[in-house]
Amino acid sequence: GAVVSQHPSWVICKSGTSVKIECRSLDFQATTMFWYRQFPKQSLMLMATSNEGSKATYEQGVEKDKFLINHASLTLSTLTVTSAHPEDSSFYICSARDLVAGEYEQYFGPGTRLTVT
Amino acid sequence: AQSVTQLGSHVSVSEGALVLLRCNYSSSVPPYLFWYVQYPNQGLQLLLKYTTGATLVKGINGFEAEFKKSETSFHLTKPSAHMSDAAEYFCAVSTPPPGGSYIPTFGRGTSLIVHP
Repeated sequence: GAVVSQHPSWVICKSGTSVKIECRSLDFQATTMFWYRQFPKQSLMLMATSNEGSKATYEQGVEKDKFLINHASLTLSTLTVTSAHPEDSSFYICSARDLVAGEYEQYFGPGTRLTVT
Repeated sequence: AQSVTQLGSHVSVSEGALVLLRCNYSSSVPPYLFWYVQYPNQGLQLLLKYTTGATLVKGINGFEAEFKKSETSFHLTKPSAHMSDAAEYFCAVSTPPPGGSYIPTFGRGTSLIVHP
């Protein structure tokens, strides 16, 4: 099946700094990618939907100035957490959508563990 | 609007016993239904999905699920649990256009614990 990679797999940063997470579709082109946030022992919360070449659509309650999403190419989307605070510590998962045999398939990356100290 | 309810945040079974993870959904149009598995510190892996057609869906690792419209349910089963099945399981629902956008909504997850 299709593969989605994320880099880094884990990152520790200091409060007030910014950190960038990359999401790549390795063997398909994804016009749409999604970013999720997952708190321990909880479900995935959709943060935003990004379409290649256009601005991301953020879910209600997600600060777009804090979580910058760039989908510059059909295989790469980035999430930048700006001025990170300890409450931003979480597991971030990206997902990429591919059209297979007339149906959309959604593939998930392995996630990035962010710890803000 | 669409939503998913997973009954039971934890399910504990013995190795070799039947696994049953419950999922009920709410959708205003015919839904697409999914089960995903997540191992610690990893992303989600698709176990199986229902879109149309046969209501009993077989997935990977011996899992299957049955779409029951009258009960708005999509419970996940496996006849005999393996230690390696211990993980977090998520049920999800999505709806295609024009009523939806294919974007799935996830349940809160069920942690499957397998005892030797």
